[in-house]
Amino acid sequence: EPEVTQTPSHQVTQMGQEVILRCVPISNHLYFYWYRQILGQKVEFLVSFYNNEISEKSEIFDDQFSVERPDGSNFTLKIRSTKLEDSAMYFCASMGRRQYFGPGTRLTVT
Amino acid sequence: GDSVTQMEGPVTLSEEAFLTINCTYTATGYPSLFWYVQYPGEGLQLLLKATKADDKGSNKGFEATYRKETTSFHLEKGSVQVSDSAVYFCALVSNFGNEKLTFGTGTRLTIIP
Repeated sequence: EPEVTQTPSHQVTQMGQEVILRCVPISNHLYFYWYRQILGQKVEFLVSFYNNEISEKSEIFDDQFSVERPDGSNFTLKIRSTKLEDSAMYFCASMGRRQYFGPGTRLTVT
Repeated sequence: GDSVTQMEGPVTLSEEAFLTINCTYTATGYPSLFWYVQYPGEGLQLLLKATKADDKGSNKGFEATYRKETTSFHLEKGSVQVSDSAVYFCALVSNFGNEKLTFGTGTRLTIIP
């Protein structure tokens, strides 16, 4: 079965630093998503991306966040200046007939 | 806005026990409903889904029926196995243009032999 991949699996960064989380969606999919899950809490929608632009974003997705599809295969989430409360598991998903999720990147901000 | 409420865990059962994980939702229109499962160290996998009222989704012995009158989508399995130990998430999609998922908090299930 096709799969979404994410790198790194775990990222540790200091508060105020920029991080880029990477995702490789399934190749013929057109919709891409980022979700996050703070430890012990629900999975929350961050942003959806279609046709090289954001189609919807949540109130969590403020000016510190950005997404990009820099080439034909990668889909990235950038956090410009990380905060302690950004510590979470970040999931990428892409959609064909249904949404396929990657294994997640655990971001720890110290 | 849309929301999903799941029964709180953790849930611990003996092998071959009957499982129910409750899920209710609030949404505009007619959402599609999903159960996702997350095994340790892995991503979210779609377990089953239902797209309209009275539909029953099923997979791997799990079932859930879309009940519009009670706005519920409870997950059931008649005889659980140790390999079913995972976190289970109920979710919905109400915006068909975007397919954004709204998740419940997840229920951690542990099956003991």
